[in-house]
Amino acid sequence: NAGVMQNPRHLVRRRGQEARLRCSPVKGHSHVYWYRQLPEEGLKFMVYLQKENIIDESGMPKERFSAEFPKEGPSILRIQQVVRGDSAAYFCASSPLGTPGLDGTQYFGPGTRLLVL
Amino acid sequence: LAKTTQPISMDSYEGQEVNITCSHNNIATNDYITWYQQFPSQGPRFIIQGYKTKVTNEVASLFIPADRKSSTLSLPRVSLSDTAVYYCLVGASNTNAGKSTFGDGTTLTVKP
Repeated sequence: NAGVMQNPRHLVRRRGQEARLRCSPVKGHSHVYWYRQLPEEGLKFMVYLQKENIIDESGMPKERFSAEFPKEGPSILRIQQVVRGDSAAYFCASSPLGTPGLDGTQYFGPGTRLLVL
Repeated sequence: LAKTTQPISMDSYEGQEVNITCSHNNIATNDYITWYQQFPSQGPRFIIQGYKTKVTNEVASLFIPADRKSSTLSLPRVSLSDTAVYYCLVGASNTNAGKSTFGDGTTLTVKP
Protein backbone atom coordinates (compact mmCIF):
# COMPACT_ATOMS: atom_id res chain seq x y z
CA ASN A 1 0.00 0.00 0.00
CA ALA A 2 1.98 2.96 -1.29
CA GLY A 3 1.95 6.19 0.66
CA VAL A 4 1.81 9.69 -0.74
CA MET A 5 4.22 10.13 -3.62
CA GLN A 6 5.71 13.43 -4.62
CA ASN A 7 7.94 14.24 -7.53
CA PRO A 8 10.35 15.54 -8.20
CA ARG A 9 12.04 15.35 -4.81
CA HIS A 10 14.34 18.21 -5.74
CA LEU A 11 13.72 20.91 -8.31
CA VAL A 12 16.02 23.72 -9.37
CA ARG A 13 14.65 26.63 -11.35
CA ARG A 14 15.93 30.00 -12.43
CA ARG A 15 13.99 33.12 -11.68
CA GLY A 16 11.10 33.53 -14.11
CA GLN A 17 10.74 29.86 -14.93
CA GLU A 18 7.79 27.68 -14.05
CA ALA A 19 7.78 24.97 -11.40
CA ARG A 20 5.35 22.04 -11.50
CA LEU A 21 5.12 19.86 -8.42
CA ARG A 22 3.21 16.59 -8.54
CA CYS A 23 1.50 14.67 -5.78
CA SER A 24 -0.10 11.24 -5.96
CA PRO A 25 -2.24 10.64 -2.86
CA VAL A 26 -2.67 7.39 -1.02
CA LYS A 27 -4.85 5.09 -3.14
CA GLY A 28 -8.47 5.75 -2.30
CA HIS A 29 -7.86 9.14 -0.70
CA SER A 30 -9.85 11.94 -2.28
CA HIS A 31 -8.61 14.86 -0.17
CA VAL A 32 -5.29 16.55 -0.96
CA TYR A 33 -3.54 19.34 0.90
CA TRP A 34 -0.48 21.36 -0.05
CA TYR A 35 1.81 23.00 2.50
CA ARG A 36 4.92 25.13 2.23
CA GLN A 37 7.75 25.00 4.70
CA LEU A 38 10.50 27.59 4.74
CA PRO A 39 13.82 26.67 6.39
CA GLU A 40 13.59 26.54 10.17
CA GLU A 41 9.85 27.24 10.08
CA GLY A 42 6.65 25.25 10.50
CA LEU A 43 4.27 24.11 7.79
CA LYS A 44 2.01 26.73 6.29
CA PHE A 45 -1.24 25.63 4.69
CA MET A 46 -1.65 26.59 1.06
CA VAL A 47 -4.61 24.80 -0.50
CA TYR A 48 -7.09 21.98 0.08
CA LEU A 49 -8.53 20.10 -2.87
CA GLN A 50 -10.90 17.29 -3.54
CA LYS A 51 -11.20 15.59 -6.92
CA GLU A 52 -11.78 18.33 -9.53
CA ASN A 53 -12.58 20.92 -6.85
CA ILE A 54 -10.63 23.51 -4.91
CA ILE A 55 -12.20 23.61 -1.46
CA ASP A 56 -9.98 26.13 0.28
CA GLU A 57 -7.16 28.12 -1.27
CA SER A 58 -6.94 30.78 1.39
CA GLY A 59 -3.28 30.02 2.11
CA MET A 60 -2.13 30.30 -1.46
CA PRO A 61 -0.66 33.51 -2.89
CA LYS A 62 -3.12 35.17 -5.23
CA GLU A 63 -0.65 35.48 -8.07
CA ARG A 64 1.59 32.96 -9.81
CA PHE A 65 0.36 29.97 -7.77
CA SER A 66 -2.30 27.51 -8.85
CA ALA A 67 -3.32 23.99 -7.92
CA GLU A 68 -5.47 21.28 -9.40
CA PHE A 69 -6.54 17.75 -8.58
CA PRO A 70 -8.01 16.26 -11.76
CA LYS A 71 -10.32 13.31 -11.95
CA GLU A 72 -7.47 11.21 -13.20
CA GLY A 73 -3.84 11.66 -12.32
CA PRO A 74 -1.89 13.43 -9.62
CA SER A 75 -2.51 16.77 -7.99
CA ILE A 76 -0.36 19.53 -9.44
CA LEU A 77 0.95 22.63 -7.70
CA ARG A 78 2.11 25.10 -10.30
CA ILE A 79 4.25 28.14 -9.64
CA GLN A 80 4.70 30.52 -12.52
CA GLN A 81 7.56 32.99 -12.87
CA VAL A 82 9.32 31.74 -9.78
CA VAL A 83 11.25 34.11 -7.54
CA ARG A 84 13.93 33.35 -4.97
CA GLY A 85 11.41 33.69 -2.17
CA ASP A 86 9.60 30.63 -3.53
CA SER A 87 12.52 28.45 -2.47
CA ALA A 88 11.09 26.09 0.13
CA ALA A 89 9.97 22.55 0.77
CA TYR A 90 6.49 21.85 -0.55
CA PHE A 91 4.63 19.02 1.12
CA CYS A 92 1.54 17.28 -0.08
CA ALA A 93 -0.77 15.35 2.23
CA SER A 94 -3.83 13.24 1.60
CA SER A 95 -6.62 12.04 3.83
CA PRO A 96 -9.41 9.51 3.51
CA LEU A 97 -13.04 10.45 3.19
CA GLY A 98 -15.41 9.72 6.05
CA THR A 99 -13.23 7.35 8.03
CA PRO A 100 -14.76 7.19 11.50
CA GLY A 101 -12.43 8.40 14.20
CA LEU A 102 -9.78 9.50 11.78
CA ASP A 103 -11.02 12.98 10.98
CA GLY A 104 -8.10 15.26 10.36
CA THR A 105 -5.51 12.54 9.89
CA GLN A 106 -3.27 13.50 7.02
CA TYR A 107 -0.64 11.32 5.41
CA PHE A 108 2.30 13.34 4.15
CA GLY A 109 4.58 12.80 1.22
CA PRO A 110 8.36 13.27 1.36
CA GLY A 111 8.15 16.75 -0.09
CA THR A 112 9.62 18.58 -3.06
CA ARG A 113 12.49 20.91 -2.33
CA LEU A 114 12.42 23.82 -4.70
CA LEU A 115 15.48 25.96 -5.15
CA VAL A 116 15.22 29.11 -7.21
CA LEU A 117 18.51 30.48 -8.43
CA LEU B 1 -9.75 27.96 13.00
CA ALA B 2 -8.21 27.12 16.32
CA LYS B 3 -4.72 28.54 16.76
CA THR B 4 -2.27 26.36 18.62
CA THR B 5 0.55 27.34 20.94
CA GLN B 6 3.42 25.04 21.85
CA PRO B 7 6.79 25.50 23.52
CA ILE B 8 9.45 26.25 20.94
CA SER B 9 11.90 23.68 22.25
CA MET B 10 12.43 21.03 24.91
CA ASP B 11 15.42 19.01 26.02
CA SER B 12 15.34 15.56 27.57
CA TYR B 13 17.57 12.57 28.23
CA GLU B 14 17.31 9.03 27.03
CA GLY B 15 14.89 6.92 29.01
CA GLN B 16 12.89 9.83 30.38
CA GLU B 17 9.22 10.52 29.80
CA VAL B 18 8.54 13.66 27.80
CA ASN B 19 5.32 15.65 27.94
CA ILE B 20 4.62 18.34 25.35
CA THR B 21 1.61 20.53 25.93
CA CYS B 22 -0.33 22.36 23.24
CA SER B 23 -2.83 25.14 23.92
CA HIS B 24 -5.84 25.53 21.65
CA ASN B 25 -8.27 27.83 23.41
CA ASN B 26 -10.54 28.31 20.41
CA ILE B 27 -11.01 24.65 19.54
CA ALA B 28 -14.34 23.98 17.83
CA THR B 29 -16.83 21.29 18.76
CA ASN B 30 -16.05 19.13 15.74
CA ASP B 31 -12.27 19.57 15.87
CA TYR B 32 -9.94 16.66 16.50
CA ILE B 33 -6.45 17.03 17.94
CA THR B 34 -3.65 15.37 16.04
CA TRP B 35 0.06 15.22 16.69
CA TYR B 36 2.72 14.79 14.05
CA GLN B 37 6.45 14.16 14.17
CA GLN B 38 8.84 15.56 11.61
CA PHE B 39 12.47 14.66 11.07
CA PRO B 40 14.76 16.92 9.01
CA SER B 41 14.19 16.67 5.27
CA GLN B 42 11.11 14.47 5.72
CA GLY B 43 7.38 14.99 5.69
CA PRO B 44 5.46 14.96 8.97
CA ARG B 45 4.40 11.58 10.28
CA PHE B 46 1.16 10.91 12.16
CA ILE B 47 1.68 9.99 15.81
CA ILE B 48 -1.68 10.07 17.55
CA GLN B 49 -5.11 11.62 17.39
CA GLY B 50 -7.85 12.20 19.92
CA TYR B 51 -11.05 14.07 20.65
CA LYS B 52 -11.34 13.92 24.42
CA THR B 53 -10.00 12.19 27.55
CA LYS B 54 -7.08 9.87 26.90
CA VAL B 55 -5.83 8.01 23.87
CA THR B 56 -2.92 5.59 23.86
CA ASN B 57 -1.16 3.74 21.08
CA GLU B 58 2.11 1.90 20.73
CA VAL B 59 4.22 5.04 20.57
CA ALA B 60 2.51 7.74 22.64
CA SER B 61 -0.37 8.83 24.82
CA LEU B 62 -2.54 11.88 24.37
CA PHE B 63 -4.25 13.53 27.31
CA ILE B 64 -7.11 15.93 26.68
CA PRO B 65 -8.87 17.65 29.60
CA ALA B 66 -12.62 18.06 29.70
CA ASP B 67 -12.58 21.63 28.37
CA ARG B 68 -10.38 20.51 25.42
CA LYS B 69 -8.52 23.83 25.46
CA SER B 70 -5.20 22.04 25.67
CA SER B 71 -3.69 18.65 25.08
CA THR B 72 -0.53 16.88 26.18
CA LEU B 73 1.49 14.47 24.11
CA SER B 74 3.34 12.00 26.30
CA LEU B 75 6.31 10.04 24.96
CA PRO B 76 7.41 7.27 27.32
CA ARG B 77 11.11 6.50 27.67
CA VAL B 78 12.43 8.59 24.81
CA SER B 79 15.49 7.60 22.81
CA LEU B 80 17.91 9.60 20.69
CA SER B 81 15.84 8.78 17.62
CA ASP B 82 12.90 10.70 19.08
CA THR B 83 14.77 13.94 18.44
CA ALA B 84 12.44 15.74 16.04
CA VAL B 85 9.92 18.54 15.70
CA TYR B 86 6.48 17.75 17.08
CA TYR B 87 3.41 19.52 15.76
CA CYS B 88 0.03 19.84 17.37
CA LEU B 89 -2.75 20.14 14.82
CA VAL B 90 -6.36 21.05 15.44
CA GLY B 91 -9.04 20.71 12.82
CA ALA B 92 -11.48 18.48 11.00
CA SER B 93 -11.13 17.18 7.48
CA ASN B 94 -14.62 15.97 6.74
CA THR B 95 -16.23 19.35 6.39
CA ASN B 96 -15.73 22.34 4.17
CA ALA B 97 -13.29 23.61 6.75
CA GLY B 98 -10.78 21.04 5.63
CA LYS B 99 -7.84 23.16 6.46
CA SER B 100 -6.12 22.36 9.71
CA THR B 101 -3.79 24.74 11.43
CA PHE B 102 -0.23 23.71 12.15
CA GLY B 103 1.55 25.55 14.92
CA ASP B 104 5.25 26.28 14.86
CA GLY B 105 6.07 22.98 16.47
CA THR B 106 8.20 21.94 19.41
CA THR B 107 11.77 20.90 18.73
CA LEU B 108 12.57 18.03 21.07
CA THR B 109 16.23 17.23 21.61
CA VAL B 110 17.02 13.97 23.35
CA LYS B 111 20.49 13.76 24.83
CA PRO B 112 22.45 10.65 25.80
